[in-house]
Amino acid sequence: AQTVTQSQPEMSVQEAETVTLSCTYDTSESDYYLFWYKQPPSRQMILVIRQEAYKQQNATENRFSVNFQKAAKSFSLKISDSQLGDAAMYFCAYRRFGAQKLVFGQGTRLTINP
Amino acid sequence: DVKVTQSSRYLVKRTGEKVFLECVQDMDHENMFWYRQDPGLGLRLIYFSYDVKMKEKGDIPEGYSVSREKKERFSLILESASTNQTSMYLCASSPGQGLLMGTDTQYFGPGTRLTVL
Repeated sequence: AQTVTQSQPEMSVQEAETVTLSCTYDTSESDYYLFWYKQPPSRQMILVIRQEAYKQQNATENRFSVNFQKAAKSFSLKISDSQLGDAAMYFCAYRRFGAQKLVFGQGTRLTINP
Repeated sequence: DVKVTQSSRYLVKRTGEKVFLECVQDMDHENMFWYRQDPGLGLRLIYFSYDVKMKEKGDIPEGYSVSREKKERFSLILESASTNQTSMYLCASSPGQGLLMGTDTQYFGPGTRLTVL
């Protein structure tokens, strides 16, 4: 069974600085997708960024980028120029190619210090 | 914008009660999901549905059932609520058509925080 591990329950960063959230996963599949979701306090979870395993190029979305290391089964999220609105729970998730099911990590609570 | 709504944000029930959690999506999505979210465990899939009246068990279906009589509505049922079902319940939906291309994104509702006393 696939598993996703986020080893950092909590992280904090100063406003305007850069922070990296870690995620590792375990799978025997070669085709899959990886996601980072953001859950702000008392607000709905939203997709931040997505990575296809067959793509070598790391995905980026404005201030959010990933470092995808397929051989190491690592998928970290880098947030540049952190803003107060980035404060949230961040979840890493995995989906096997052709499957509906998302497998989530435990989550990392990110605090932004003004 | 996709909108996924859940019937209650907060719910308090007694042990042994039958509990219904309702979820509605307005984008004609094929797939709907129920997760529970617990600290330190992330989100775990309870059930999902890929079509009306179709359902599949997720990772933790014990103590739960679901119903999908209409495409836009997916209900989670706790037949006899127990204290260990105190949790945050999240509903999600996805279009379904982009599955093989990986573009199938799940959209989440605001969650229902259920307390069973």
